Amino acid sequence: KNEVEQSPQNLTAQEGEFITINCSYSVGISALHWLQQHPGGGIVSLFMLSSGKKKHGRLIATINIQEKHSSLHITASHPRDSAVYICAVEGGATNKLIFGTGTLLAVQP
Amino acid sequence: GAGVSQSPSNKVTEKGKDVELRCDPISGHTALYWYRQSLGQGLEFLIYFQGNSAPDKSGLPSDRFSAERTGGSVSTLTIQRTQQEDSAVYLCASSSGQGNGGNTIYFGEGSWLTVV
Repeated sequence: KNEVEQSPQNLTAQEGEFITINCSYSVGISALHWLQQHPGGGIVSLFMLSSGKKKHGRLIATINIQEKHSSLHITASHPRDSAVYICAVEGGATNKLIFGTGTLLAVQP
Repeated sequence: GAGVSQSPSNKVTEKGKDVELRCDPISGHTALYWYRQSLGQGLEFLIYFQGNSAPDKSGLPSDRFSAERTGGSVSTLTIQRTQQEDSAVYLCASSSGQGNGGNTIYFGEGSWLTVV
């Protein structure tokens, strides 16, 4: 079993829809990161969370430390949101990232 | 520089040749990580530097892989006697963390390596 599980693996949405991507992890962490990777592009950090909730524009990220679960929400989705969204947890002595397998999101106009 | 810079951006090499990949982290960032993303695979950790030291090399897949960091800045990942399974995107990331977690991590654009 992977230490970081994401769901769904693939998601297709219509423009304007509310989107939720889930992440569960099984290890102790110091922080959780949500990353975005556009096709052929680099990786951009969206959020770094250690507790609670953060909001940036149309993106909201939440984390429940007790349940070892985080969600990334996108409100009023747009085709430019189409990308791979990756959950990664930071832990261990060197705080290296352990990555989920990613969620491929396609937002159709 | 403004961000994490990696070179070359693309490299095609013949099987058996050695390659060097370079990472120039954000100025002042003491933590530097190398990750690998193979086609159809997720991201995997290779090595972590704090300053010039590498306290975690556990992700290096074989002794053909090595990395160094000098001056607390630029890092070089070297792959000797490349094999086709080494083909991947090699990503460098840096942060201002001291290994205690909870710092934003910045990724380079990656070096796309193809071994033919």
